[in-house]
Amino acid sequence: QVQLVQSGAEVKKPGASVKVSCKASGYTFTSYGISWVRQAPGQGLEWMGWISAYNGNTNYAQKLQGRVTMTTDTSTSTAYMELRSLRSDDTAVYYCARWGLTFDYWGQGTLVTVSS
Amino acid sequence: DIVMTQSPDSLAVSLGERATINCKSSQSVLYSSNNKNYLAWYQQKPGQPPKLLIYWASTRESGVPDRFSGSGSGTDFTLTISSLQAEDVAVYYCQQYYRTPPITFGQGTRLEIK
Repeated sequence: QVQLVQSGAEVKKPGASVKVSCKASGYTFTSYGISWVRQAPGQGLEWMGWISAYNGNTNYAQKLQGRVTMTTDTSTSTAYMELRSLRSDDTAVYYCARWGLTFDYWGQGTLVTVSS
Repeated sequence: DIVMTQSPDSLAVSLGERATINCKSSQSVLYSSNNKNYLAWYQQKPGQPPKLLIYWASTRESGVPDRFSGSGSGTDFTLTISSLQAEDVAVYYCQQYYRTPPITFGQGTRLEIK
């Protein structure tokens, strides 16, 4: 069965960086993309960007350009999302999701708390 | 960017009754060459990731109960739960995948039991 398992919760200070991992199993990793979606406390869903696991092509949300980098390691079927220069409003649950055209499988979410 | 607007923001429905959630896109998400609407619906229960319910505006994902149905075309869409069950309490989101990036979601509709 398809599973996406994310790394654990993080607490970071403003200005720091965070890197969240998403390990995929149960399907051919390179046949789909991985998208990252975040959700601030009590808020809706915000698309952050996607990466093709086939060729590594990426596309990021404009508001995060320059602060976010998405990568994959096909040898371990793992996707990564790094967010730099963290601010308090980056506090959110970060989800990875398998992306075809829709998001049919999701990771369990990783809470990233940014606090001084 | 295509803006997705859901209504209402919250909804309370009695068990066994019909629940209807609307979603409007700022531009058509109907692709004329294949006559498909690039619109999906998700359900998110507290503390859980979203779950895909419906894609192509009206196709139920495998395993989704048939009390969930999607309809609409172009810019106006509806998610209907024909007979509300207690386990349907959740926040529901629509999402367009027609003109990307960016992928955009509606703001969410909170569904509760009356």
